[in-house]
Amino acid sequence: KAGVTQTPRYLIKTRGQQVTLSCSPISGHRSVSWYQQTPGQGLQFLFEYFSETQRNKGNFPGRFSGRQFSNSRSEMNVSTLELGDSALYLCASNEGEVANTGELFFGEGSRLTVL
Amino acid sequence: QQQVKQSPQSLIVQKGGISIINCAYENTAFDYFPWYQQFPGKGPALLIAIRPDVSEKKEGRFTISFNKSAKQFSLHIMDSQPGDSATYFCAASGMGNTPLVFGKGTRLSVIA
Repeated sequence: KAGVTQTPRYLIKTRGQQVTLSCSPISGHRSVSWYQQTPGQGLQFLFEYFSETQRNKGNFPGRFSGRQFSNSRSEMNVSTLELGDSALYLCASNEGEVANTGELFFGEGSRLTVL
Repeated sequence: QQQVKQSPQSLIVQKGGISIINCAYENTAFDYFPWYQQFPGKGPALLIAIRPDVSEKKEGRFTISFNKSAKQFSLHIMDSQPGDSATYFCAASGMGNTPLVFGKGTRLSVIA
């Protein structure tokens, strides 16, 4: 099986712009989670989608949003970018219907730099 | 609010030595405690996990020790090798559809 695929791998934006990141989960996985990774804060949970519905949401401002499509692929969007949004954005998929019953499979991430 | 506190931030261990990373949590509803390993340029990958019904779990050179009363758990890497050099994250989650929360990570360097 192919792993979790994230695109783009690297991108540079300027403050005030918006960005859309894409994630294709492992085939058969219906849950997709997004995490923000920064050197100082580790991995911070953004949100989780299951069957096109947001099932959990972390403590991030409304500028961060996401969605999931019927094929389980997911996108996240960050609007009005700030310098502090520079980070590695990781997507993870899970096969179970209950979020914490199994292993999270991570992609290699999308590295966002905001100038 | 950091729900899982991890220490140390960085660790240097001699080849063949024991690497120990500690985590503490506050939420008594947590019932799943995995450790993830991340190499540079890669996403984290599950290394080993434990549930509170056991106090220890061993897989090869990797062992999780779990102390429910102290709300602490730790990762021990025996006979540490240069290939173990990576960032390690502890994590925890509760029952039901609750997300996995991670510690801030420990950067391990194993030197020859």
